[in-house]
Amino acid sequence: ETGVTQSPTHLIKTRGQQVTLRCSSQSGHNTVSWYQQALGQGPQFIFQYYREEENGRGNFPPRFSGLQFPNYSSELNVNALELDDSALYLCASSLVFRQGGGNTEAFFGQGTRLTVV
Amino acid sequence: QQQVKQSPQSLIVQKGGISIINCAYENTAFDYFPWYQQFPGKGPALLIAIRPDVSEKKEGRFTISFNKSAKQFSLHIMDSQPGDSATYFCAASRGSNYQLIWGAGTKLIIKP
Repeated sequence: ETGVTQSPTHLIKTRGQQVTLRCSSQSGHNTVSWYQQALGQGPQFIFQYYREEENGRGNFPPRFSGLQFPNYSSELNVNALELDDSALYLCASSLVFRQGGGNTEAFFGQGTRLTVV
Repeated sequence: QQQVKQSPQSLIVQKGGISIINCAYENTAFDYFPWYQQFPGKGPALLIAIRPDVSEKKEGRFTISFNKSAKQFSLHIMDSQPGDSATYFCAASRGSNYQLIWGAGTKLIIKP
């Protein structure tokens, strides 16, 4: 098992609602990446946080937002939920030694299964 | 240009056989190519990764073959075992910053 924990494990929300997903990174890691994995598809990169700053973003609308806290845990917030937001949301943590200086392997949590009805 | 195309979508191999999964990419700026294994209900786990300065990397029963000119890379699983039954994803990124672009996945079933 990795040291990355995600909560909750499952969640059901109604279209139009807002949701917050949480990720506790592995001890010593300073970078968290979030991915959306629709059923039967590969994960899609949402964004990455490095030392509390957004450090790259995929092709997702602004209603997907995030935070990283001083302890390097992270939240993913999704506003105005749509049916297509139903997916497994994965976070991965890694240690980046410095910007552009290489990093350790990233470890994934087990994900949060979000269902929008 | 950001796509990574993976094939086949599903694969059935007899125990002891060789499983081969292929990926192709378009963006020549990609320089990190990992393979992940995912079991149902679990997050992906890194299996093996390669950079384009080598054409092959082997770790135990798992080998990545990399063809830079063709922009293709493949995963070979030798002596496939039932415990290898899982979904396998290839991915690519610029640097190993884990802003990964993923293939669609291959569901591998190893028949005893």
